[in-house]
Amino acid sequence: AQSVTQLDSQVPVFEEAPVELRCNYSSSVSVYLFWYVQYPNQGLQLLLKYLSGSTLVKGINGFEAEFNKSQTSFHLRKPSVHISDTAEYFCAVRRNTGFQKLVFGTGTRLLVSP
Amino acid sequence: KAGVTQTPRYLIKTRGQQVTLSCSPISGHRSVSWYQQTPGQGLQFLFEYFSETQRNKGNFPGRFSGRQFSNSRSEMNVSTLELGDSALYLCASSFTDSLPTEAFFGQGTRLTVV
Repeated sequence: AQSVTQLDSQVPVFEEAPVELRCNYSSSVSVYLFWYVQYPNQGLQLLLKYLSGSTLVKGINGFEAEFNKSQTSFHLRKPSVHISDTAEYFCAVRRNTGFQKLVFGTGTRLLVSP
Repeated sequence: KAGVTQTPRYLIKTRGQQVTLSCSPISGHRSVSWYQQTPGQGLQFLFEYFSETQRNKGNFPGRFSGRQFSNSRSEMNVSTLELGDSALYLCASSFTDSLPTEAFFGQGTRLTVV
């Protein structure tokens, strides 16, 4: 089985500051990794995904994440956040064979203030 | 290309009633998955349908059921509603049931049981 740990339930940051949202996963098999963002009263929007290849993945809205297999981590970063980045961020994993459900972390609320 | 459409967006039901939620996937997508999101349990997988067949099921009681039609539209039904069923129900569609592919989420149906 897979599991995901998002260590921070809430991350406050000032506008234009850099941010890192942490994600660690556990799995006995190879997985694919995803970051989703959820704005209030909305569904989930895919920010980026790691399937294979380069461990540095670039996504939408200036976000990027680095897959670290030895540390089983997939931290999300943005060099300069905007007020509009205020949202809930979910890290998710799924096995890389056949259909497998997405297993989500508990989410990190990013609060960007002026 | 239209995204995943879930109807209705909001629903209020009384304990003991039943409810049906609808999900129209992205055109051409054949896999539809359902997730329940609550503050306490986070995002949990309910079930997945592919070509009108339920392929995977999460750990939910039999009151939760679903189906998929030949046009890939899916419905989920919850019978004998309980207060704890209050949640945001999210539908996700994928092109196939195999990887690599990403899941696209709808905006969800917020169900409130009173």
